[in-house]
Amino acid sequence: EVQLVESGGGLVKPGGSLRLSCAASEFTISSYSMTWVRQAPGKGLEWVSSISSSSAYIHYADSVKGRFTISRDNAKNSVYLQMNSLRAEDTAVYYCARCSGGTCSSSGALDIWGQGTMVTVSS
Amino acid sequence: DIQMTQSPSTLSASVGDRVTITCRASQSVNSWLAWYQQKPGKAPNLLIHKASGLESGVPSRFSGSGSGTEFTLTISSLQPDDFATYYCQQYNSHPLTFGGGTKVEIK
Repeated sequence: EVQLVESGGGLVKPGGSLRLSCAASEFTISSYSMTWVRQAPGKGLEWVSSISSSSAYIHYADSVKGRFTISRDNAKNSVYLQMNSLRAEDTAVYYCARCSGGTCSSSGALDIWGQGTMVTVSS
Repeated sequence: DIQMTQSPSTLSASVGDRVTITCRASQSVNSWLAWYQQKPGKAPNLLIHKASGLESGVPSRFSGSGSGTEFTLTISSLQPDDFATYYCQQYNSHPLTFGGGTKVEIK
């Protein structure tokens, strides 16, 4: 079954760091751009970051720019989100998703989603 | 940034009803518009891509239309499994943006 599995979430204090991982199975991520989307408790969906298949193009939401870093290891079929300087407002379920087209813009709806990993930022 | 506005935010309907959800973009997104369904505690699921393209495996009672700045998601005959929250999303350009969501409730 084609799927994405996130890991690495947990409870962290404000100012702390976490690294989320997203492992793909039954497809090769090297052909796809990938995205992280988050959802705060009881709230809507918020795009966080996207990375192109070769890592040449990377985009961040203003709310995380300078604090979060997206990366990928095509050999390990995985995508990562390094989160530093975490704030209470970063508390959310973080989803990894595949962009169906070559890129996440102008062709790539999010066709495969992981189950999500919960990040809680609290003292 | 392109703002996406969904209406209504909540919709009460009965099984068998025809349901329409509207999504408006603050500027043209061409046809790069997707619709997702999300149930509590679950990840979103892609229903419609490129404004009107039905994703494989999605029932034909779901349909999408529109282009530019105005889009609609229609459920032709609401089924018990359809009570959920629906989101539109533009992928014309970064930053990718989602609408605020429409919760479809049982009347």
